[in-house]
Amino acid sequence: DVKVTQSSRYLVKRTGEKVFLECVQDMDHENMFWYRQDPGLGLRLIYFSYDVKMKEKGDIPEGYSVSREKKERFSLILESASTNQTSMYLCASSLSTGTGNSPLHFGNGTRLTVT
Amino acid sequence: DAKTTQPPSMDCAEGRAANLPCNHSTISGNEYVYWYRQIHSQGPQYIIHGLKNNETNEMASLIITEDRKSSTLILPHATLRDTAVYYCIVSGYGQNFVFGPGTRLSVLP
Repeated sequence: DVKVTQSSRYLVKRTGEKVFLECVQDMDHENMFWYRQDPGLGLRLIYFSYDVKMKEKGDIPEGYSVSREKKERFSLILESASTNQTSMYLCASSLSTGTGNSPLHFGNGTRLTVT
Repeated sequence: DAKTTQPPSMDCAEGRAANLPCNHSTISGNEYVYWYRQIHSQGPQYIIHGLKNNETNEMASLIITEDRKSSTLILPHATLRDTAVYYCIVSGYGQNFVFGPGTRLSVLP
């Protein structure tokens, strides 16, 4: 079974802090994704990566950056956390098949609270 | 915007089959239908996906109409632990998954 592991289940940070959310997958997947999920807004894509050192902006990249130095690891960075970044953050990975026949596999999420 | 339409909520009696519908009338020929579910405070869990043919795995069955404009996820014997939000997603190569509001399934004892 695919395993996507997010380093923290719950995180509390102060406004202005730099925050790192880490995600590791163990299935040699090429693609990795970061979403945030908020009540009433559903899941929204922040950033994704199709390969090491490659990144693409999703629908809501403002206030975030990412890093993919190794294939198995994808980090989401909040350079200066703000209260409107309080959310559930979900990491996902998928195999690159070239056909669209490739489900996303999600981690269990990190619930971040910025005070 | 999500390419699918689902009812916002459904109830199902424990032990009965749960049939969750999804409309995707604008689906393209190379796009797959995916189903996920999300139990409160957990990440979405992959259930099943298909292109044209009906699919079955240990969790569920996926029935796709011949014109591919709609599909039904079937949980054959629903349990209380199947209470969750179920998402139907259409996605093809190079496309990102777009999650709509899904269907909140309540399995009742």
